[in-house]
Amino acid sequence: KQEVTQIPAALSVPEGENLVLNCSFTDSAIYNLQWFRQDPGKGLTSLLLIQSSQREQTSGRLNASLDKSSGRSTLYIAASQPGDSATYLCAVPGSNDYKLSFGAGTTVTVRA
Amino acid sequence: GAVVSQHPSRVICKSGTSVKIECRSLDFQATTMFWYRQFPKQSLMLMATSNEGSKATYEQGVEKDKFLINHASLTLSTLTVTSAHPEDSSFYICSARASYGPNTEAFFGQGTRLTVV
Repeated sequence: KQEVTQIPAALSVPEGENLVLNCSFTDSAIYNLQWFRQDPGKGLTSLLLIQSSQREQTSGRLNASLDKSSGRSTLYIAASQPGDSATYLCAVPGSNDYKLSFGAGTTVTVRA
Repeated sequence: GAVVSQHPSRVICKSGTSVKIECRSLDFQATTMFWYRQFPKQSLMLMATSNEGSKATYEQGVEKDKFLINHASLTLSTLTVTSAHPEDSSFYICSARASYGPNTEAFFGQGTRLTVV
C-alpha cells in the first residue's frame, strides 16, 4: 500500500524567502505525482502534475522535481509572498486502482 | 486547468434529515468522480469512486446506505448524506477526472462544509 509522507508539517518564513516542501512515497512504481494547494475551508487547486518520465516541471514561481528511484519529490516556491500561505499537498495514484494517496500536507505561512 | 463546481459550499441541517451535494465538471466530461471527506487539520479520506452509469465503489468502512452516490451523467455526480447525524458533520470534497487512467490530472471542487445540528 502506497504511503505518502510530507515533511515538515508546518513552515513559517519571511516574505521573499524561497520555500522547499518535501514529499516522499514508499512505492516508487508511480505513474505521476501531483501537487495541490488548499486554502482554509476550500477545495484543492492543482498546481503541477509531474509524470514519472519527467524529472522536473515548472509553472511560474513553482518548480517540482521528481526522483522516482528514491521515492521523493520536492516543490520549490521562489520568492515567497504572503499569498502563498496555504496547505500544500502531494498525491500519487495507485498502481492498481489509480486512486490518489495523499500526504498529510505542509502548512505554509509567509510573514509580511 | 479544468473546472469542477461543487454546490452548496456550506449547509446546515437538522439531525435526521438528508442532504444532497452536487459535483459538476463544467468544461470536460468526467468519466470518474471521487468523493472525499476531510476532518480538521487532516488530509483527505477517500469515501467512494463513481463511474458514469454504474454503481459507486465504496471504501472499506464507508456505509453505502448512508452516503448515496449517483453519477447519472458525464458531468454530474451527487452525494446524498441520508439521515444525517452530528458525527457526519465534516468537509466533503469531490474530484473529477476525464478518464479512469492514472495519467489523467485530478481536479477538485471547492468543498462543502456540512454541519448537522
